Amino acid sequence: ETGVTQTPRHLVMGMTNKKSLKCEQHLGHNAMYWYKQSAKKPLELMFVYNFKEQTENNSVPSRFSPECPNSSHLFLHLHTLQPEDSALYLCASSQDPVGGRTDTQYFGPGTRLTVL
Amino acid sequence: AQSVTQLDSQVPVFEEAPVELRCNYSSSVSVYLFWYVQYPNQGLQLLLKYLSGSTLVKGINGFEAEFNKSQTSFHLRKPSVHISDTAEYFCAVSDFGADRGSTLGRLYFGRGTQLTVWP
Repeated sequence: ETGVTQTPRHLVMGMTNKKSLKCEQHLGHNAMYWYKQSAKKPLELMFVYNFKEQTENNSVPSRFSPECPNSSHLFLHLHTLQPEDSALYLCASSQDPVGGRTDTQYFGPGTRLTVL
Repeated sequence: AQSVTQLDSQVPVFEEAPVELRCNYSSSVSVYLFWYVQYPNQGLQLLLKYLSGSTLVKGINGFEAEFNKSQTSFHLRKPSVHISDTAEYFCAVSDFGADRGSTLGRLYFGRGTQLTVWP
């Protein structure tokens, strides 16, 4: 399998549930990202990991908890979410964080999350 | 902080017609510029990017964009569209200002333009 994969593709959960989103990149990249895509709003950067270390948390509520066990895998653990958290959650990766602004970010297909 | 404005939320065109999707940005520092495309039920795919050099950038699927520094624009064009070009298009900027470390890898996206090509 190539590129960036995300599972599950669709997730429906209640506000009291705990679930996790998984992202895997098969590109040998060193940086990984979580984005939130809501209707009618620009993509929002949530978290950035470089070499498994979190380098950015963009004021994300604590009910979202990221985990990066290695450079190829990224998780987003969800608990006690709100209906307004319903959105498409996109994972991305890029090659090299050093001078990383020039690096293309490669995106996964996303997980469509619905919170009831 | 940077900001990106995509002036049209929806652009309907007929097949084989030319199209231009507009993008303006605001930044006090130099930037890199990107266009991404998102087909239904898929993630974002890079169409093209401007880093330096020639201001006319060619991308995949016959798209091109021109960087205009004085007008802070990076409009996307295609001379003849196909039905398969129907998708949402996102303009994005990445700065390389003085504070490089804290914004490493950050992209600022516009709200997107839905391009619909009719037969």
